[in-house]
Amino acid sequence: QVQLQESGPGLVKPSQTLSLTCTVSGGSISSGNNYWTWIRQHPGKGLEWIGYIYHSGSTYYNPSLKSRVTISGDTSKNQFSLKLSSVTAADTAVYYCARENDSMCFDYWGQGTLVSVSA
Amino acid sequence: QSALTQPASVSGSPGQSITISCTGTSSDIGGYNYVSWYQQHPGKAPKLLIFDVSNRPSGVSNRFSGSKSGNTASLTISGLQAEDEADYYCNSYTSSTTRIFGGGTKLTVL
Repeated sequence: QVQLQESGPGLVKPSQTLSLTCTVSGGSISSGNNYWTWIRQHPGKGLEWIGYIYHSGSTYYNPSLKSRVTISGDTSKNQFSLKLSSVTAADTAVYYCARENDSMCFDYWGQGTLVSVSA
Repeated sequence: QSALTQPASVSGSPGQSITISCTGTSSDIGGYNYVSWYQQHPGKAPKLLIFDVSNRPSGVSNRFSGSKSGNTASLTISGLQAEDEADYYCNSYTSSTTRIFGGGTKLTVL
């Protein structure tokens, strides 16, 4: 059973960089036809796809966030990470990490972590 | 990239059936069979209900079914139960190789 767990600061100051890590157990981020993904949900709103890192290490991002997003992987720790730069209050959201499988669906999710952007 | 269009809310009585629509374009729903649906209860992570338009993962009730016609996908829930009250989201692969979600639909079981 694949499990994902987000970790990172719950409060980030405006203009700083949001950094989150997703630790994966029960499966390897470096094998299989999976896309290790970040998704966020603004308070009371819908889901927004941020981007992914593929098992090969290639990445792809939502064009609306592309200039500020970096997703990277650490195969030795079986983790992948999200960095979002120059944050504003509009980046306050629950951030989820998830696995997208080869049917292009998100079959495993972390429980989510709320990140607030405030001075 | 605008979100896929879902009704903001739907409602039904226990035992009834409801359908939630998800409308996109030929660049997403209409162009691929990579449509999935998710159920989200308050404070919880979304749960996969349907993938590849109409397939159910192991463990998901057969009361949930999916379909697609043109640029519109649909999720049908039959035999409504109180526990089905939740938010529902559709998702599709796109021609830009991005993924796009619907705005979400709140299901109320009367």
